[in-house]
Amino acid sequence: GENVEQHPSTLSVQEGDSAVIKCTYSDSASNYFPWYKQELGKGPQLIIDIRSNVGEKKDQRIAVTLNKTAKHFSLHITETQPEDSAVYFCAAKGSGNTPLVFGKGTRLSVIA
Amino acid sequence: EPEVTQTPSHQVTQMGQEVILRCVPISNHLYFYWYRQILGQKVEFLVSFYNNEISEKSEIFDDQFSVERPDGSNFTLKIRSTKLEDSAMYFCASRELLNTGELFFGEGSRLTVL
Repeated sequence: GENVEQHPSTLSVQEGDSAVIKCTYSDSASNYFPWYKQELGKGPQLIIDIRSNVGEKKDQRIAVTLNKTAKHFSLHITETQPEDSAVYFCAAKGSGNTPLVFGKGTRLSVIA
Repeated sequence: EPEVTQTPSHQVTQMGQEVILRCVPISNHLYFYWYRQILGQKVEFLVSFYNNEISEKSEIFDDQFSVERPDGSNFTLKIRSTKLEDSAMYFCASRELLNTGELFFGEGSRLTVL
């Protein structure tokens, strides 16, 4: 089955700096790659996703890149703010009803 | 904005007891899921449910677990005889479309087994 690796496990950045989180996946059939933000005591919330027919997607301060050949994808947050502090999970999914498989998460701390 | 709701938010139970966690998925969604997150670890898939039957389950979802959609709105996860290692946050999720829809998560039910 699919296996998703995520790095780093923790990341601290100064407010205003950029943050990058990287993930790799194992199943070349995976074609959907969402990123979730989880705040303390809450469920994961989708922040951005990308499909395998696209190499990059941007939404304001958040961007995601996908390299299908290397089977890795990354989340980029620019101009970080304290409210960006949370745990971020990458995930991968194949077609049909294959389950979404999550990475282990990255705890991002933005220091004011 | 429509949301997935879960109850209870926190349940404490004795080892060996039965537990039922309840979820109300978003009303027009057709695909339902349970995920588990042990404290500080990643979110793990348990089971998916569509058209009133399990469509896929992980190795975690053994005979002690069952799911049910008893009426048109609720989706439940039952653990028959809880073990200490069942202590975790359990998330319900739902999806409208199979291949293109976002997976919406509830806020979770924290289960503590003593």
